[in-house]
Amino acid sequence: DTGVSQDPRHKITKRGQNVTFRCDPISEHNRLYWYRQTLGQGPEFLTYFQNEAQLEKSRLLSDRFSAERPKGSFSTLEIQRTEQGDSAMYLCASSLPLAGAANEQFFGPGTRLTVL
Amino acid sequence: DQQVKQNSPSLSVQEGRISILNCDYTNSMFDYFLWYKKYPAEGPTFLISISSIKDKNEDGRFTVFLNKSAKHLSLHIVPSQPGDSAVYFCAAPQDFGNEKLTFGTGTRLTIIP
Repeated sequence: DTGVSQDPRHKITKRGQNVTFRCDPISEHNRLYWYRQTLGQGPEFLTYFQNEAQLEKSRLLSDRFSAERPKGSFSTLEIQRTEQGDSAMYLCASSLPLAGAANEQFFGPGTRLTVL
Repeated sequence: DQQVKQNSPSLSVQEGRISILNCDYTNSMFDYFLWYKKYPAEGPTFLISISSIKDKNEDGRFTVFLNKSAKHLSLHIVPSQPGDSAVYFCAAPQDFGNEKLTFGTGTRLTIIP
């Protein structure tokens, strides 16, 4: 299966700790997205990359959040000094946009973060 | 500012009948729309899309209708099957050339055998 993978699937941490999540997109996809989903809500955009360039960051992405995609392949999302409000499902998606076609983003299974 | 709205958090439908999931949007600049399906403990899976130049797109049991004047779209599933039980999200790219998706809050569909 060559779908989008995310690691870890679950993370429990104490408030104030740093956490890092990894996303491996579908290999030929040049765009990679991070979303956050909280209970009862749809996924909310955080940031996206085209190859290694981070093209946009949501205002939801505070200074404590940083994302990288150093070689244009996998990506990491780091949250520093976690807060209880950071508890959510963090979803990664990738796409290979085709001109004139819908932007079908393929999502990974997500990393569920719980901050105690 | 919720630009994509799904006002029904849940829907129950008898197996074999038609399921109709609704979505409203406020941004008239949206160019096309996508429906995603999500099972528990999995990421969303793309289901079907529609361009704003069309009013209908069909793929097997799934049909999406778009009413631009009403800023409304709907997903029809017929006949509904137990495996269709999931949360359904409608989504739209923010604008042309900006591919980040804005999602609705989702509708949980339960198919009753």
